Amino acid sequence: DTAVSQTPKYLVTQMGNDKSIKCEQNLGHDTMYWYKQDSKKFLKIMFSYNNKELIINETVPNRFSPKSPDKAHLNLHINSLELGDSAVYFCASSPGGRHEQYFGPGTRLTVT
Amino acid sequence: SQQGEEDPQALSIQEGENATMNCSYKTSINNLQWYRQNSGRGLVHLILIRSNEREKHSGRLRVTLDTSKKSSSLLITASRAADTASYFCATDFQGAQKLVFGQGTRLTINP
Repeated sequence: DTAVSQTPKYLVTQMGNDKSIKCEQNLGHDTMYWYKQDSKKFLKIMFSYNNKELIINETVPNRFSPKSPDKAHLNLHINSLELGDSAVYFCASSPGGRHEQYFGPGTRLTVT
Repeated sequence: SQQGEEDPQALSIQEGENATMNCSYKTSINNLQWYRQNSGRGLVHLILIRSNEREKHSGRLRVTLDTSKKSSSLLITASRAADTASYFCATDFQGAQKLVFGQGTRLTINP
């Protein structure tokens, strides 16, 4: 029943490690997003994909690499994790750019 | 910055009272959206208002949009404890392909 799901929910790792977060939506939407929410609750878009094609890349360090194997999945791989990467990462989807977005439950990443 | 700004940052009221949150933005928009985020959860879409609309209702929610003042307000009537959450406005700017979120209003409803 879950519309937008993310795994894992919590991720604790050490600096320098590489980790991935997976996202899947079963809504049939064409567009998917990754957002980062910092400790002050400020939510900022990182990437947007439309039908597996990257359409937004918001000056994110190239240690972050999104991958969309198909329209229903958008994964986020992070290389060489840094302390400043600690945040909650949200995946979202929408029928298109002008519509409401549906968010996943978030992945809390803690880098120690 | 294109970021919407919300006011107040925090609001605490008694159950049953009405809650009003405001959002201001800087450039022309296609639409403006309001979202709710409960603690530790993802954002949930509440209402979308287009630039040619002035007011929309959804249950106990009322959203207004004043494009001349570049501002919007969200009114929650007859508040309940379950309305305790952070509320975000998000603007879909003309020429952009993304939503830009405000910093949110943290609403606390006291029983």
